[in-house]
Amino acid sequence: KAGVTQTPRYLIKTRGQQVTLSCSPISGHRSVSWYQQTPGQGLQFLFEYFSETQRNKGNFPGRFSGRQFSNSRSEMNVSTLELGDSALYLCASSLGYRDDYGYTFGSGTRLTVV
Amino acid sequence: KQEVTQIPAALSVPEGENLVLNCSFTDSAIYNLQWFRQDPGKGLTSLLLIQSSQREQTSGRLNASLDKSSGRSTLYIAASQPGDSATYLCAVRGSSNTGKLIFGQGTTLQVKP
Repeated sequence: KAGVTQTPRYLIKTRGQQVTLSCSPISGHRSVSWYQQTPGQGLQFLFEYFSETQRNKGNFPGRFSGRQFSNSRSEMNVSTLELGDSALYLCASSLGYRDDYGYTFGSGTRLTVV
Repeated sequence: KQEVTQIPAALSVPEGENLVLNCSFTDSAIYNLQWFRQDPGKGLTSLLLIQSSQREQTSGRLNASLDKSSGRSTLYIAASQPGDSATYLCAVRGSSNTGKLIFGQGTTLQVKP
């Protein structure tokens, strides 16, 4: 059974550019969440999607956006990149919404902004 | 606002030792608590999930307990091995209406051969 797949694994972008990260959840999982991990702030919640609808959003600027497709795959987009956006971006999936099965994380996308 | 704290931040022990990692949270109204392991530069691996109605969960050499009233959880690792070296994170889910997990800063464990 394939796990949560995130692509690409590594990205180097220049300030001001935009970037799109992709996440494919475990087959059958319909809930996808995104987190940003930095040495200073730790793991911070970005947003959560279920049935193509954003259910919750963390405290991040509007430059951070996401979406979920009908096959549950999700993408997140960061526009006008800043140096401080350099981080490990993690995606997590769960079977449903309001369930108690816990979350499975992917290996992450390491974004470096130069 | 829920806050999660993990103590100690780092721990170094000799192989074979039993150890306890601590996690505390400020709001006892949680839905569940999940322990994860993270190897350097990698994603998170789920270790144990404890529902708010449960007191403990066990998997192999790992045992996690939950005391909601005191806002505490512990992860017990028996007979530690060098392969257990990693960062251990606890995360709290506040309610069934949100999938948002609030993470502690983690405990980095080194098990020396």
